[in-house]
Amino acid sequence: KQEVTQIPAALSVPEGENLVLNCSFTDSAIYNLQWFRQDPGKGLTSLLLIQSSQREQTSGRLNASLDKSSGRSTLYIAASQPGDSATYLCAANSGYALNFGKGTSLLVTP
Amino acid sequence: AAGVIQSPRHLIKEKRETATLKCYPIPRHDTVYWYQQGPGQDPQFLISFYEKMQSDKGSIPDRFSAQQFSDYHSELNMSSLELGDSALYFCASSLSFFGGAADTQYFGPGTRLTVL
Repeated sequence: KQEVTQIPAALSVPEGENLVLNCSFTDSAIYNLQWFRQDPGKGLTSLLLIQSSQREQTSGRLNASLDKSSGRSTLYIAASQPGDSATYLCAANSGYALNFGKGTSLLVTP
Repeated sequence: AAGVIQSPRHLIKEKRETATLKCYPIPRHDTVYWYQQGPGQDPQFLISFYEKMQSDKGSIPDRFSAQQFSDYHSELNMSSLELGDSALYFCASSLSFFGGAADTQYFGPGTRLTVL
């Protein structure tokens, strides 16, 4: 069974800092890896999807990388803003189901 | 752009009652997924449908059943509700799983089910 781990579980940074969120998965036979944002009690917003054949994807201040052989992905957030405060989840797709990590709770302070 | 629609958004039920959650996928998406997210937990995959056929099954209790209809909307039926069924239930949709290349899953806003 695919196990997804996210480190750190929580992170607090001052506004303007660049930061990296880490995600690891146990089974490298994935089709893609997806990063989501979730605000408290709200739905899941898809941020980036990296296909297994890709190394990275970028969207605005976000950059996600994938190293399938080592079972790792990172989400880089540049010039963080208070509005970035949320929980960030990564999910590995080995078939139909997404296997989620427990998320990193990010707080960006003004 | 059209998104995944879920109804109702909130539902309160008593123990042992039944509940039906509905999901309307993004137009032209033919695959639907259901996930359950308990308080403070990560989403857990329940079940998925492709072209009205069950395509994968996760940790869905036997008390739950689901189906996808000819218009591609899906319903999750939950019977004999228990306190532990209180959770946020998400539906997601995507384009067909074809040739091993899975597409982005787009999530709906969720249905918050509270069992008293």
